[in-house]
Amino acid sequence: DGGITQSPKYLFRKEGQNVTLSCEQNLNHDAMYWYRQDPGQGLRLIYYSQIVNDFQKGDIAEGYSVSREKKESFPLTVTSAQKNPTAFYLCASTRLGSNEQFFGPGTRLTVL
Amino acid sequence: AQSVAQPEDQVNVAEGNPLTVKCTYSVSGNPYLFWYVQYPNRGLQFLLKYITGDNLVKGSYGFEAEFNKSQTSFHLKKPSALVSDSALYFCAVRDRDGNNRLAFGKGNQVVVIP
Repeated sequence: DGGITQSPKYLFRKEGQNVTLSCEQNLNHDAMYWYRQDPGQGLRLIYYSQIVNDFQKGDIAEGYSVSREKKESFPLTVTSAQKNPTAFYLCASTRLGSNEQFFGPGTRLTVL
Repeated sequence: AQSVAQPEDQVNVAEGNPLTVKCTYSVSGNPYLFWYVQYPNRGLQFLLKYITGDNLVKGSYGFEAEFNKSQTSFHLKKPSALVSDSALYFCAVRDRDGNNRLAFGKGNQVVVIP
């Protein structure tokens, strides 16, 4: 899992509540990514950021928001607008000019 | 937009037998191709990549993959499977336009039977 930490490992939320997932990296990587993983669907890109104070929507951004105030941190907020938020969320990072992405250990979010 | 197909949901193989996990891709231009492995409730671990050069790429834990441009494939192989190879395997592709976005396949569950 390299130098990427995600917290918490497990998260439970009541329907209608916003929740923020943490992702921190000490690899001095420029770009960071958030993916959602559901059984049988692989990984789908939610948001990504290539530099501080800038980010772009991925393929399934609706109901999510992000910020990139520091190079090391890329928190993801799952809002009440996300209709089916129960999933495994993975954060990744890469150095611009490199090719492979490094992944954190993931956060499993369950909406009760 | 780039995409990946992993046609099999699950691959069962006896320990000691060769293991193959299939992947085909679609991308404009020449691709960057990757294989990752995931153990239960963990993040993805990088196995190997094809960027340029030799079509046969060797990676971690005895895995290798062969890039076949004419068939747009990048199958993962291991000559002799171990029980510890049982995991979920993802193929991924990105194009060379510089946005670093990866497109992942849906994953293949590999089960190595003792």
